[in-house]
Amino acid sequence: EAGVAQSPRYKIIEKRQSVAFWCNPISGHATLYWYQQILGQGPKLLIQFQNNGVVDDSQLPKDRFSAERLKGVDSTLKIQPAKLEDSAVYLCASSFPSGGTNEKLFFGSGTQLSVL
Amino acid sequence: GENVEQHPSTLSVQEGDSAVIKCTYSDSASNYFPWYKQELGKGPQLIIDIRSNVGEKKDQRIAVTLNKTAKHFSLHITETQPEDSAVYFCAASPGGYALNFGKGTSLLVTP
Repeated sequence: EAGVAQSPRYKIIEKRQSVAFWCNPISGHATLYWYQQILGQGPKLLIQFQNNGVVDDSQLPKDRFSAERLKGVDSTLKIQPAKLEDSAVYLCASSFPSGGTNEKLFFGSGTQLSVL
Repeated sequence: GENVEQHPSTLSVQEGDSAVIKCTYSDSASNYFPWYKQELGKGPQLIIDIRSNVGEKKDQRIAVTLNKTAKHFSLHITETQPEDSAVYFCAASPGGYALNFGKGTSLLVTP
């Protein structure tokens, strides 16, 4: 079974530039998550999708971050404009089945973002 | 919201010894407590989980215990091996919601 795919693997940008990350979850997984992991810390949830609807985006800095999950499969996370403090690893995770129960998360390898 | 505290932040043990990592949580509604292992350059990988209706769970050299009254849970690794060296994260969830992670424990197993 293929795992969660993320790209790019690494990204270096200057502050105020924009960047986008892509995630393809495990086939059949209805729930998709984006987490931000700052060096030396645990992952912090940015946004949770159920199919193509948003379940929780309370910790997403909406003035600069946006995410979408068209057709309930792939997802993109965008930062515009980037700040120095956005330097982190951005992890995508997916889980099955959908809704209402504790679900085991499967993580991708992440995109390491450096903002200079 | 849920707040998960994890201790210690670093742990060094000799090969063959046991390692224990402890976590506390704040939200009494949390009922799912997984542990993840993260190796350098990789995403976290689930190693064991426990639900609130169970007090202890074991899988070969790994065990997790849960004390709902005290709101704490622990990971126990016995007969540690160098390949156990990694960062371990505990997490808690009130069910149907995303996981809240602790800050991680960097475990080093020396031969």
